[in-house]
Amino acid sequence: DADVTQTPRNRITKTGKRIMLECSQTKGHDRMYWYRQDPGLGLRLIYYSFDVKDINKGEISDGYSVSRQAQAKFSLSLESAIPNQTALYFCATSDTGTSGTYNEQFFGPGTRLTVL
Amino acid sequence: RKEVEQDPGPFNVPEGATVAFNCTYSNSASQSFFWYRQDCRKEPKLLMSVYSSGNEDGRFTAQLNRASQYISLLIRDSKLSDSATYLCVVNVDYKLSFGAGTTVTVRA
Repeated sequence: DADVTQTPRNRITKTGKRIMLECSQTKGHDRMYWYRQDPGLGLRLIYYSFDVKDINKGEISDGYSVSRQAQAKFSLSLESAIPNQTALYFCATSDTGTSGTYNEQFFGPGTRLTVL
Repeated sequence: RKEVEQDPGPFNVPEGATVAFNCTYSNSASQSFFWYRQDCRKEPKLLMSVYSSGNEDGRFTAQLNRASQYISLLIRDSKLSDSATYLCVVNVDYKLSFGAGTTVTVRA
């Protein structure tokens, strides 16, 4: 079984609809992240959470919200979807790092979202 | 200006060839550096970390030049399975900044 799972894998929706993307992990990591990927732009950070009580905005948080329901679950919501939110969305996790060190981020398989 | 910039390619090379490409980063406070590999529309996966002294992992060699703020990746003896997009990644305060990727296609 995959360590980081995302649901749904594909979603087509209409402008103005509320959408929730879910991410679950069995790696026991404290840190979780949401990214979107657009052609030619690379992955951009939307929100991140370093533990259950911690939520932080990333580079492009406008139009999105998140919920960290448990250590293993981190959901991304689009309250009112718009066409320019059409993208590939990835969830990622990493272990807690000590100062000055880095811990590898492990990505889920992605959710392909299309907003018409 | 993008935080991490890469030549998008594509680099089309025959099997057995050597291919090399770079990326540049803008934040001098960047703490650590990586190459991730992404196969078509799949999730990125860590290929290797990049250290100031340079490091190798099999056929892959990575270099970091902090003074000029660039990172390089060299692939020797290319295999068909090396065909992918290679993402240059920079870490600042546990947040990663990704380049848009360099596409490499290895042909038989």
